[in-house]
Amino acid sequence: GPKVLQIPSHQIIDMGQMVTLNCDPVSNHLYFYWYKQILGQQMEFLVNFYNGKVMEKSKLFKDQFSVERPDGSYFTLKIQPTALEDSAVYFCASSLGGARNTLYFGAGTRLSVL
Amino acid sequence: QQQVRQSSQSLTVWEGETAILNCSYENSAFDYFPWYQQFPGEGPALLIAIRSVSDKKEDGRFTIFFNKREKNLSLHIKDSQPGDSATYFCAASGSSGSWQLIFGSGTQLTVMP
Repeated sequence: GPKVLQIPSHQIIDMGQMVTLNCDPVSNHLYFYWYKQILGQQMEFLVNFYNGKVMEKSKLFKDQFSVERPDGSYFTLKIQPTALEDSAVYFCASSLGGARNTLYFGAGTRLSVL
Repeated sequence: QQQVRQSSQSLTVWEGETAILNCSYENSAFDYFPWYQQFPGEGPALLIAIRSVSDKKEDGRFTIFFNKREKNLSLHIKDSQPGDSATYFCAASGSSGSWQLIFGSGTQLTVMP
């Protein structure tokens, strides 16, 4: 099936540093999402993105977070500066239509903030 | 306040039994309910989904039963196999003006051989 690739699979950084998580979505998809998962538990919605714009974001999407997809390349999540509570697995997803369509998820990037 | 609730954090069944995973939701405007399956180290993958105009959706061994009046649904896995051992997330979307797919907290299913 369609594949979403996330790079890197694991990132370790010091608190206060900047980190960029990269996502290569399914090629013809138009909607992009980031979710946060802690300890294999609930998938927490962070943000969705369509047509170059953030459509909706949750309270977890702090001011230190930003997303972009420059020139149709990687869909990125940047955290600057990072905090200890940002440690989690971050999943990228994409879909052809909106949230009533199938979301295809990547394998996640495990972020460890020390 | 959780908009999508899965009451059981974990469930263990024997191989061959029917596993029943329950889910309830708050928002009457939700009209699309997918179930996602997640194996350790992987992202969730769509297993089966139902729209609120239906009360049942079947796909092989997997069936969703949906009760709009009670605002709950369940996923039945017939003839459970050890390979079905995974975490199952109920999700919902369709709330007016919202683009979110909201997940429940997940039920970890273990199928014992």
